[in-house]
Amino acid sequence: GQQLNQSPQSMFIQEGEDVSMNCTSSSIFNTWLWYKQDPGEGPVLLIALYKAGELTSNGRLTAQFGITRKDSFLNISASIPSDVGIYFCAGQLRETSGSRLTFGEGTQLTVNP
Amino acid sequence: GAGVSQSPSNKVTEKGKDVELRCDPISGHTALYWYRQSLGQGLEFLIYFQGNSAPDKSGLPSDRFSAERTGGSVSTLTIQRTQQEDSAVYLCASSLSGGNNEQFFGPGTRLTVL
Repeated sequence: GQQLNQSPQSMFIQEGEDVSMNCTSSSIFNTWLWYKQDPGEGPVLLIALYKAGELTSNGRLTAQFGITRKDSFLNISASIPSDVGIYFCAGQLRETSGSRLTFGEGTQLTVNP
Repeated sequence: GAGVSQSPSNKVTEKGKDVELRCDPISGHTALYWYRQSLGQGLEFLIYFQGNSAPDKSGLPSDRFSAERTGGSVSTLTIQRTQQEDSAVYLCASSLSGGNNEQFFGPGTRLTVL
């Protein structure tokens, strides 16, 4: 099925460093979402973006909805060990029936203390 | 409060057998979604329910896959004549309604087809 292009696939950083990951799509979305998934669990929503150009923060997380509606990025500042996990972007097109989510392939984040 | 629950958490089956996966959504959520996550991949949409009807089943990969929802609550995903490529984690999500209401995910069922 269709997936978004998410990069990087994995990141290994030191505690305290900032992290950036992004997603691009060949088609537009009118909602962008960022999720975190821990092992053995389902994804948990971190940030939702509803307007092109929107910049939203949630604690140490900041995400932006690209102006073309085909991309988004997520920044994590001052990383801590509990930030470890897989981060997924997801696009949603509300006009489609049911508003299914289209996911990126994930960014595996490892934080070394 | 109770989140989305799924059962079983793990299922190992032999190729050719049928399997049923169950999802209990959050109480009061009318929208229910099934996704599939292959190893190291993102989630792939399978089917969406609004109440008991499925207006979008376009993500089901073949006619071996089917799903139903009864009483506007519990949903069952059935895979007939399982194949090894069906091995994946099957995730269920529910939301208050469709649209852009947040989808809350269950922990998933890990299916292994030998």
